[in-house]
Amino acid sequence: EAEVAQSPRYKITEKSQAVAFWCDPISGHATLYWYRQILGQGPELLVQFQDESVVDDSQLPKDRFSAERLKGVDSTLKIQPAELGDSAMYLCASSSLPPGGTEAFFGQGTRLTVV
Amino acid sequence: DQQVKQNSPSLSVQEGRISILNCDYTNSMFDYFLWYKKYPAEGPTFLISISSIKDKNEDGRFTVFLNKSAKHLSLHIVPSQPGDSAVYFCAASPGGYQKVTFGTGTKLQVIP
Repeated sequence: EAEVAQSPRYKITEKSQAVAFWCDPISGHATLYWYRQILGQGPELLVQFQDESVVDDSQLPKDRFSAERLKGVDSTLKIQPAELGDSAMYLCASSSLPPGGTEAFFGQGTRLTVV
Repeated sequence: DQQVKQNSPSLSVQEGRISILNCDYTNSMFDYFLWYKKYPAEGPTFLISISSIKDKNEDGRFTVFLNKSAKHLSLHIVPSQPGDSAVYFCAASPGGYQKVTFGTGTKLQVIP
């Protein structure tokens, strides 16, 4: 069964360091999302790609976060420098249609702890 | 501004009984609604959806009801099973390429 792959599963980093997460969506899915989920809250969209183009990055803290999907396939989310408040689960998801037209498939996430 | 609200953080139900999870929204532009289930240490998985042109959608033991005038939707699980124990997220979107907004989740515990 096709699934969204994310790595690493867990990451511990010191504040002010750089950290990067990788996501490989389900093959053929044009829409890719990065969400952040803080404990006790729902997933919050950070950035949404349609192929290689950013469709929505309104909630992405652009002073420290960056995301790219160069060939419209896999994607990388980077944080530099990491802050204590960045500790959260980072979820990648993909869908074959626009978000309003179908459900998204989520990866298992990367649990980030900033110390 | 929480546009999708799940006011019950947790719910306990006996096995075999009905579970009812509620969700309220404030954005009248939302046109498409979804429920996701999340087990610990896993990403959310899609459960069921409904568009605003319908007021009910059913899939096996899961039924979602939408009341557009009240800006309210609910997920009914009947009969509830221990494997249904998870966090359930309500989500909504205006449709098209506009983003999906998630609620804060309700933790369901089904007691054997």
